[in-house]
Amino acid sequence: GNSVTQMEGPVTLSEEAFLTINCTYTATGYPSLFWYVQYPGEGLQLLLKATKADDKGSNKGFEATYRKETTSFHLEKGSVQVSDSAVYFCALSDNTDKLIFGTGTRLQVFP
Amino acid sequence: NAGVTQTPKFRVLKTGQSMTLLCAQDMNHEYMYWYRQDPGMGLRLIHYSVGEGTTAKGEVPDGYNVSRLKKQNFLLGLESAAPSQTSVYFCASSPERVGLALPNEQFFGPGTRLTVL
Repeated sequence: GNSVTQMEGPVTLSEEAFLTINCTYTATGYPSLFWYVQYPGEGLQLLLKATKADDKGSNKGFEATYRKETTSFHLEKGSVQVSDSAVYFCALSDNTDKLIFGTGTRLQVFP
Repeated sequence: NAGVTQTPKFRVLKTGQSMTLLCAQDMNHEYMYWYRQDPGMGLRLIHYSVGEGTTAKGEVPDGYNVSRLKKQNFLLGLESAAPSQTSVYFCASSPERVGLALPNEQFFGPGTRLTVL
């Protein structure tokens, strides 16, 4: 079946460091890929998405590129801030109106 | 717009008790979802609905029932709570996907933290 695998956290960084959170997927066909973010005490909110191979999603300085050849959708940010501390979820939709989530990666950014 | 709201925010139950979690959305979305979030397991889909009066099972439906009597509300029921149902429950909604259109963004509520003793 379809699945999403994320790197385990927590990821601990100093402010202004470079961030990469790895995400790989298994799916038949051509899924859409998403990154959701969950700030402390809140629900999830969409961060960015990509719907076909080689698409790059971007938002708030975060980027992720849909790589079909490596079945990956890694999240990157060039310079993280303390306010980016949150849990990040990679997810896919196999066009059945349901999302399949990874286990989440906690990011902690220290000043 | 309030978006997606959930009540209650917190609840403690004893084993065998029943309760209903309420989700409401004011965005006129057709689709609604219930997830549970457990440490190390991400979010797992319990039940979902693609329109008023319809429901369907997700990945982990056992021990839960749902109803969608009104388009804006999606209720999650636990008839006889068990400690294994201790979790954080999230409701989400999304617009209807028309034809071959790509999946829409899901909008999440703030969650309900449930503890079953």
